[in-house]
Amino acid sequence: DAGVIQSPRHEVTEMGQEVTLRCKPISGHDYLFWYRQTMMRGLELLIYFNNNVPIDDSGMPEDRFSAKMPNASFSTLKIQPSEPRDSAVYFCASADGVSSGNTIYFGEGSWLTVV
Amino acid sequence: AQTVTQSQPEMSVQEAETVTLSCTYDTSESNYYLFWYKQPPSRQMILVIRQEAYKQQNATENRFSVNFQKAAKSFSLKISDSQLGDTAMYFCAFMNQGAQKLVFGQGTRLTINP
Repeated sequence: DAGVIQSPRHEVTEMGQEVTLRCKPISGHDYLFWYRQTMMRGLELLIYFNNNVPIDDSGMPEDRFSAKMPNASFSTLKIQPSEPRDSAVYFCASADGVSSGNTIYFGEGSWLTVV
Repeated sequence: AQTVTQSQPEMSVQEAETVTLSCTYDTSESNYYLFWYKQPPSRQMILVIRQEAYKQQNATENRFSVNFQKAAKSFSLKISDSQLGDTAMYFCAFMNQGAQKLVFGQGTRLTINP
């Protein structure tokens, strides 16, 4: 079975440019998460969706960040405009939330460098 | 708010040895879930083992086992017969029952030496 699929795996962009990260969750999973990993702050939950609806976006750092989930098989995380401090690994993850505590499966991450 | 603390930033052992990674957490809840994730150099987060707080029996997955001490709020990971492929960052994580939010510790970098 295919896992969580993220693209791009690596991106280098210039400050001020728009960045779009993409995610395809595991088929049948009704929860989707976006995490960010940095050396300073570790792994942080940015936002999560349930049945395509954003449930908690309290981790989104500022208005430059936005996330959408137009359907059950696709989500995007957009940064506009990007800044060097946004450099991080961004993980998408999904879970079958039928019963609480189900395993959250992570994608391979998108490594973003903003110069 | 729940917090997860991993007090060992780095550890190093020889191949075939047994190693224990520490994790403590803070919560006022009684029902929750605990996880250990492995992050190899490829950066992918891989679930190693999972424990339900209401189960007294410690979870085991092949060479990986946990020592869950609910009263002490401790959740350590033991790796037996360590292998070179176990070299990775290991993250302890917590999730409240009824929630879907994982709270991670800062991680322990484990190196297995030949």
